[in-house]
Amino acid sequence: NAGVTQTPKFQVLKTGQSMTLQCAQDMNHEYMSWYRQDPGMGLRLIHYSVGAGITDQGEVPNGYNVSRSTTEDFPLRLLSAAPSQTSVYFCASRSGQGNEKLFFGSGTQLSVL
Amino acid sequence: RKEVEQDPGPFNVPEGATVAFNCTYSNSASQSFFWYRQDCRKEPKLLMSVYSSGNEDGRFTAQLNRASQYISLLIRDSKLSDSATYLCAKGGGSYIPTFGRGTSLIVHP
Repeated sequence: NAGVTQTPKFQVLKTGQSMTLQCAQDMNHEYMSWYRQDPGMGLRLIHYSVGAGITDQGEVPNGYNVSRSTTEDFPLRLLSAAPSQTSVYFCASRSGQGNEKLFFGSGTQLSVL
Repeated sequence: RKEVEQDPGPFNVPEGATVAFNCTYSNSASQSFFWYRQDCRKEPKLLMSVYSSGNEDGRFTAQLNRASQYISLLIRDSKLSDSATYLCAKGGGSYIPTFGRGTSLIVHP
């Protein structure tokens, strides 16, 4: 059972570089989301999707883009990385209404120098 | 003010102790609440959903107080393995939960 798969697990970027964090789920979940976790800040929602072709902004969307071309995949793009984006990133998914349990990926530790 | 507030702790308790965490929330329209457990450098995992009538799972009891807008988690007979960060969350209008900052629990021998 793969569940939610995130890659890479670790990444170091230089300021200004771009990259994509990958997230895939094999549970046919409608809802997918990206969170970042910083010390003392808890989990903050970046972007989310309620289905293929539908995305929306969360609490801290600036500097990130997402797309949802398939039900399975929800990549997070950093267009021009900044040191403030150094964080641990978690992708999560859940099924439709009536079941709000979130399944998380194992996280990506990103450092921007 | 964050929608979900938690005391970050750490709560440092001996094995066998009973410990309780509270989590306050804004937006009284919220319908669903949860406790997640997160081990160091790991992803959060659902511990319990919180129902209006309260719910219990072994040593863990969760309560919801709508009048005062808080949820609680009680852990009885603490084990070393209970050491973790406990995140409370409330269901959002978009069905994407909002999380608190987490409460750190350290259980020592």
